[in-house]
Amino acid sequence: RKEVEQDPGPFNVPEGATVAFNCTYSNSASQSFFWYRQDCRKEPKLLMSVYSSGNEDGRFTAQLNRASQYISLLIRDSKLSDSATYLCVVNIPATGRRALTFGSGTRLQVQP
Amino acid sequence: EPEVTQTPSHQVTQMGQEVILRCVPISNHLYFYWYRQILGQKVEFLVSFYNNEISEKSEIFDDQFSVERPDGSNFTLKIRSTKLEDSAMYFCASSERGAGYGYTFGSGTRLTVV
Repeated sequence: RKEVEQDPGPFNVPEGATVAFNCTYSNSASQSFFWYRQDCRKEPKLLMSVYSSGNEDGRFTAQLNRASQYISLLIRDSKLSDSATYLCVVNIPATGRRALTFGSGTRLQVQP
Repeated sequence: EPEVTQTPSHQVTQMGQEVILRCVPISNHLYFYWYRQILGQKVEFLVSFYNNEISEKSEIFDDQFSVERPDGSNFTLKIRSTKLEDSAMYFCASSERGAGYGYTFGSGTRLTVV
């Protein structure tokens, strides 16, 4: 099983739609969780950290379910500028790897 | 906003040649990382560096690779005897307090080995 698994998409949604992405991680000892955004041929950029209680930043809501080992990202009122690949990122120090482990990403295409 | 700077943005090299990729991390950051991303694939960890030494490395980071912090600001990745499969985007990242707090990435160096 992959350490961090995401549906690759693409998710094609109209402007204004609400879209949700899920990500599962294999190691229950994972400690830190993030969503990064990556535009085509650009560097990953931190979108938001994911906290146990869930957290919101404007139109973006992230949730963590430790029991089921998944993380979600909800985007409300999608904009054309939200089109990008969304990377689920996990820190799994129990494996001996303290550096962040990236999922393969979910591609979002918002259409006019 | 502070940023991580990488140079060059694009490097083309012949197979078997050595390349040095350069990074200037954010000035008050203590943790430094190199990742690579082969076109169409995921971002893969190469190496992390803290307190002037490698703190961990992946199985990708073999004897062909080395890292150095030659002065107080630069952080370099050297690839000896490049292979075609080394063609990728190489990202440098830095963090003030470690991976658990997230990273800031540089804009990357696109390495093309011909």
